[in-house]
Amino acid sequence: DTEVTQTPKHLVMGMTNKKSLKCEQHMGHRAMYWYKQKAKKPPELMFVYSYEKLSINESVPSRFSPECPNSSLLNLHLHALQPEDSALYLCASSQAIRGQETQYFGPGTRLLVL
Amino acid sequence: DQQVKQNSPSLSVQEGRISILNCDYTNSMFDYFLWYKKYPAEGPTFLISISSIKDKNEDGRFTVFLNKSAKHLSLHIVPSQPGDSAVYFCAASERGTGNQFYFGTGTSLTVIP
Repeated sequence: DTEVTQTPKHLVMGMTNKKSLKCEQHMGHRAMYWYKQKAKKPPELMFVYSYEKLSINESVPSRFSPECPNSSLLNLHLHALQPEDSALYLCASSQAIRGQETQYFGPGTRLLVL
Repeated sequence: DQQVKQNSPSLSVQEGRISILNCDYTNSMFDYFLWYKKYPAEGPTFLISISSIKDKNEDGRFTVFLNKSAKHLSLHIVPSQPGDSAVYFCAASERGTGNQFYFGTGTSLTVIP
């Protein structure tokens, strides 16, 4: 089983709203990732969690706030977003971050900021 | 600076023929490479991987070739099927960097029935 699930599938929010994206995996993976992908562009890494601790933050604005409550769950809290933040947000997981670990992606959340 | 490049934005192939998707990289320290397939508005689906200690890896209709001296890898799909029509991304990582992958810009493959 290589399934990563993400909810919601679609989200429309205003610039003053607060919302959260959720990601879940039950593969026993200890590394989880958030990516942002714009149309016709490759995925851009935002955050990496390893053993529930933030390992990498790719200089992401503070209006994006990640949280890893346990080894199976990863959240992305959104607040005061801008229209340019509209994108497909992808979650991924891997066994660990030792290297040479395949990342498995969820289906993504399509976010539209009005 | 784009460390992984896919110079062909699109490719069309007849059903049953071979599809060859190419990927070039600049960082000689990359030691693990992945290919993903992506349909519109969906997440990338893992297809096949190759470690730098190998020069070929095969899985059914999919074969990945790695040429380390040329810093080049390719994905061969034989025979191509209409369901293979999607965007294909290659990705590369370097050991010791927290399993960060650098993605190419993707190649849109269309398999014509």
